[in-house]
Amino acid sequence: DVKVTQSSRYLVKRTGEKVFLECVQDMDHENMFWYRQDPGLGLRLIYFSYDVKMKEKGDIPEGYSVSREKKERFSLILESASTNQTSMYLCASSSAGLGRSTGELFFGEGSRLTVL
Amino acid sequence: KQEVTQIPAALSVPEGENLVLNCSFTDSAIYNLQWFRQDPGKGLTSLLLIQSSQREQTSGRLNASLDKSSGRSTLYIAASQPGDSATYLCAVPNSNSGYALNFGKGTSLLVTP
Repeated sequence: DVKVTQSSRYLVKRTGEKVFLECVQDMDHENMFWYRQDPGLGLRLIYFSYDVKMKEKGDIPEGYSVSREKKERFSLILESASTNQTSMYLCASSSAGLGRSTGELFFGEGSRLTVL
Repeated sequence: KQEVTQIPAALSVPEGENLVLNCSFTDSAIYNLQWFRQDPGKGLTSLLLIQSSQREQTSGRLNASLDKSSGRSTLYIAASQPGDSATYLCAVPNSNSGYALNFGKGTSLLVTP
């Protein structure tokens, strides 16, 4: 069974703390993604990576950074957490698709982050 | 920019009914379209992926169609069951970067016994 694993289901952090969200996939996928999901706003892309050490900004990269040192692992970093970063964070992976496209997307269970 | 719209936002049906969920997108130059299911507090589960060369894709009681020229897709659920209750989302590749997907806000489905 294909699997995308997010390290923490629930986290509570304080404003200003550095936060690491880890994601591991076991499908040898080239592409990995971080989305956040908020009521009324839907899913919004933060960052994605189409290869090791490669990253591209999504729609809302401000306040976030990412790291992809190994193919199977994609980390999301909040350098200084703020209350407006309270959200559900979803990691996903996919194989390469046709041209500059993606194959079927597989998601992790999500990480619910609360920043106090 | 690729915009994805799903109508209706919420739907309640009695068990056993056949139903159709709609998805529309503004940029028809897409490689594929995906339908997902999301249960409360959980991640998304992939249901169907339709390539741009296909018109339909089927999995069990689910059938998804794609009409690129009109910018529309439908998800047909046959003989609905209470276990089908969830939010259903469609997604298409971003116009600027095909790697990333743009999602609709979903249709929240409730199937009552």
